[in-house]
Amino acid sequence: DADVTQTPRNRITKTGKRIMLECSQTKGHDRMYWYRQDPGLGLRLIYYSFDVKDINKGEISDGYSVSRQAQAKFSLSLESAIPNQTALYFCATSGRSRDRAYNEQFFGPGTRLTVL
Amino acid sequence: GEDVEQSLFLSVREGDSSVINCTYTDSSSTYLYWYKQEPGAGLQLLTYIFSNMDMKQDQRLTVLLNKKDKHLSLRIADTQTGDSAIYFCAEKSGAGSYQLTFGKGTKLSVIP
Repeated sequence: DADVTQTPRNRITKTGKRIMLECSQTKGHDRMYWYRQDPGLGLRLIYYSFDVKDINKGEISDGYSVSRQAQAKFSLSLESAIPNQTALYFCATSGRSRDRAYNEQFFGPGTRLTVL
Repeated sequence: GEDVEQSLFLSVREGDSSVINCTYTDSSSTYLYWYKQEPGAGLQLLTYIFSNMDMKQDQRLTVLLNKKDKHLSLRIADTQTGDSAIYFCAEKSGAGSYQLTFGKGTKLSVIP
């Protein structure tokens, strides 16, 4: 969905480096999420934010931090990257709609991160 | 925690129907979703069903929900090569819940 963009799309880095993944959305949604996808494991929630002042840990937040710089921007940081953080990372957004409440999450195209 | 299970692979011939199955454990699920992920892309919502419904049809897609058995299925009629993708089942619990619990995904391969 072009309304949710992620940068970079691909990144290769070394163990111990600090990495930031960025997400921007033009959907006007207040809720944003970061997931990681590993082959055969589905998607797991890392962090989520209901608005600029509300940040919450998800299922697998250890080793990650986030920043909600504005309603439209939500970045994910790996303070000191390690090889088992090699994965596909997705940002998602959701917003209140008349008939669906917050039911639908819209996903960005993903960032493929490789930690050597 | 809650769990959502899917078979990992499904292979069908073009023109046949595909049925992707999903089971979940959370008895308080309110909404259940099917997402499609094409190669190199993010997840796209295909359809969803509210837990008080048994069936939902949308063009070639039919979703069946058996709440008693906690079983959800997605049927794709007249499967095309463009339907080749990974399909994720997901569930959301409770009216105020924020979190989706995803299955591991079923990779659908369509043979021409």
